[in-house]
Amino acid sequence: NAGVTQTPKFQVLKTGQSMTLQCAQDMNHNSMYWYRQDPGMGLRLIYYSASEGTTDKGEVPNGYNVSRLNKREFSLRLESAAPSQTSVYFCASSESSIGQPPYEQYFGPGTRLTVT
Amino acid sequence: LAKTTQPISMDSYEGQEVNITCSHNNIATNDYITWYQQFPSQGPRFIIQGYKTKVTNEVASLFIPADRKSSTLSLPRVSLSDTAVYYCSPGGNTPLVFGKGTRLSVIA
Repeated sequence: NAGVTQTPKFQVLKTGQSMTLQCAQDMNHNSMYWYRQDPGMGLRLIYYSASEGTTDKGEVPNGYNVSRLNKREFSLRLESAAPSQTSVYFCASSESSIGQPPYEQYFGPGTRLTVT
Repeated sequence: LAKTTQPISMDSYEGQEVNITCSHNNIATNDYITWYQQFPSQGPRFIIQGYKTKVTNEVASLFIPADRKSSTLSLPRVSLSDTAVYYCSPGGNTPLVFGKGTRLSVIA
């Protein structure tokens, strides 16, 4: 049981290049999330998918697109990378995004992206 | 989305009790408060969660006053391995808000 896996672990891009960050979970969770983490800014939600076939914007969606490929996989795409997108990206999953109490989120190890 | 305010950093000696308070003035009626811990180069992990009064588990306690506008994470007898960033996160039927967290440094 690997939990949440992310690829790649590290990536360097030039301004204007595109790339897709991959995320997969093997816990049969319905909901998946993408966050970015910048020094002094904490974790900020980019997009989330409450269930297969749905996606919603989070706090900082500009410059990103997402695809919920199936229940297991949720990818994050940068169409034209900018230096402001240099960050550590975390994917997470939970049984549901709606709940009282909220379900625990399980995080992947992160992808460190540098845009030059 | 509820916004949170936490101290940026705290220092503590090993063996002491540490209390980290988080303000969440605009928490929604149905929101719970969840705390996560993050070690360097790792994703956050769940510590504890509560709605009101006090919750205790094997690693921490969570105190939430009646007005629910703040919460306090209590770590008893910290060790060097508790050095991490701690996030309070109100939420429930909305995506969790993590904020900037509190960097706890435990000193020998």
